[in-house]
Amino acid sequence: NAGVTQTPKFQVLKTGQSMTLQCAQDMNHNSMYWYRQDPGMGLRLIYYSASEGTTDKGEVPNGYNVSRLNKREFSLRLESAAPSQTSVYFCASSEGSSLTEAFFGQGTRLTVV
Amino acid sequence: RKEVEQDPGPFNVPEGATVAFNCTYSNSASQSFFWYRQDCRKEPKLLMSVYSSGNEDGRFTAQLNRASQYISLLIRDSKLSDSATYLCVAARGGSYIPTFGRGTSLIVHP
Repeated sequence: NAGVTQTPKFQVLKTGQSMTLQCAQDMNHNSMYWYRQDPGMGLRLIYYSASEGTTDKGEVPNGYNVSRLNKREFSLRLESAAPSQTSVYFCASSEGSSLTEAFFGQGTRLTVV
Repeated sequence: RKEVEQDPGPFNVPEGATVAFNCTYSNSASQSFFWYRQDCRKEPKLLMSVYSSGNEDGRFTAQLNRASQYISLLIRDSKLSDSATYLCVAARGGSYIPTFGRGTSLIVHP
């Protein structure tokens, strides 16, 4: 059972380049999330999708776009990468009810130079 | 001010010690609470949910105080393998968006 799968695991970008982080879950979850984690800042929500076909901004959405391609997949796009976007990115999913846990992917370590 | 606040630590304790972490949340609409554990360079994983009446899972006890808006985690008989960062999570009802604290670092030494 794969759970939440993120690709790639590591990436180095030059300033201004674009890329898409992929995330897929096989647990039939309704809700999916993208977080970034920086030292001393904890996990901050970038975007989330409460259900297929909907997306909403989180705490730190600037510089990012998302697509909920179907119930399984939720991608995060950096259109023009900046050094401030150097971070570890985690995708997560949950059933979407308040009583259930969120499951995380293994993370993508992104460096923008 | 973050919606969920934790003391970052680190808490440095010997094996066998009892250690307690507290966490406060500012949004009174928060309905669900959790503790996650994150090992170095790994993804967060659920440690336990936190219920209003308090709950225990082996050496771990979680408490919720809604009036004061804080959550606690007590670890008894600490093991070396308990060394990790512990993340406090509050989730609002409705759209259920988990909000994470910055995490508290625990180091258990021999």
